Amino acid sequence: GNSVTQMEGPVTLSEEAFLTINCTYTATGYPSLFWYVQYPGEGLQLLLKATKADDKGSNKGFEATYRKETTSFHLEKGSVQVSDSAVYFCALRGYGGSQGNLIFGKGTKLSVKP
Amino acid sequence: DTGVSQDPRHKITKRGQNVTFRCDPISEHNRLYWYRQTLGQGPEFLTYFQNEAQLEKSRLLSDRFSAERPKGSFSTLEIQRTEQGDSAMYLCASSLVGGSYEQYFGPGTRLTVT
Repeated sequence: GNSVTQMEGPVTLSEEAFLTINCTYTATGYPSLFWYVQYPGEGLQLLLKATKADDKGSNKGFEATYRKETTSFHLEKGSVQVSDSAVYFCALRGYGGSQGNLIFGKGTKLSVKP
Repeated sequence: DTGVSQDPRHKITKRGQNVTFRCDPISEHNRLYWYRQTLGQGPEFLTYFQNEAQLEKSRLLSDRFSAERPKGSFSTLEIQRTEQGDSAMYLCASSLVGGSYEQYFGPGTRLTVT
């Protein structure tokens, strides 16, 4: 079945450091891939997405590239801020219109120190 | 666009009682999803609707759980004879059919079973 594996946290960085959160997936066909973010006390928000191989999703300085050859969708940001402190979830949606649900990783908690 | 709303935001109940949660999706969205999230984990899929039809149910959705979307707009999730293991955050999301089926999440209902 489809599954998502992301690096375990927590991750603690200093402000302006480079961020990478690894995410790999197992799926048949051509899934769509997503990163969601959950800020403290708030709901899940869609951060970025990619729907086909080699697509790069980007938003708020974050980027992730859909790599089919390595089945990966790693999240990166060049210079993190304290306000980026949150839990980040990698997710996939199976290929085809009948595939309804998202499958999430366990989440990676990021703390950014001033 | 007012986003996905959920009511109540918090519910404390005693074991054995029934509870019902409501979700109002983004108005033009025809798909509605329910997920459950426990502490330190990613959301897990429960069920989803396309318009008023319930198209998929997870094995997590025991016979004590029932969901409805009678007019293809709002949805309710009922848990009968609650157990302590039902304590979790219940999340609702909605999407349009087509494209990447981006799902937008509500703030969740936190259930505590004592």
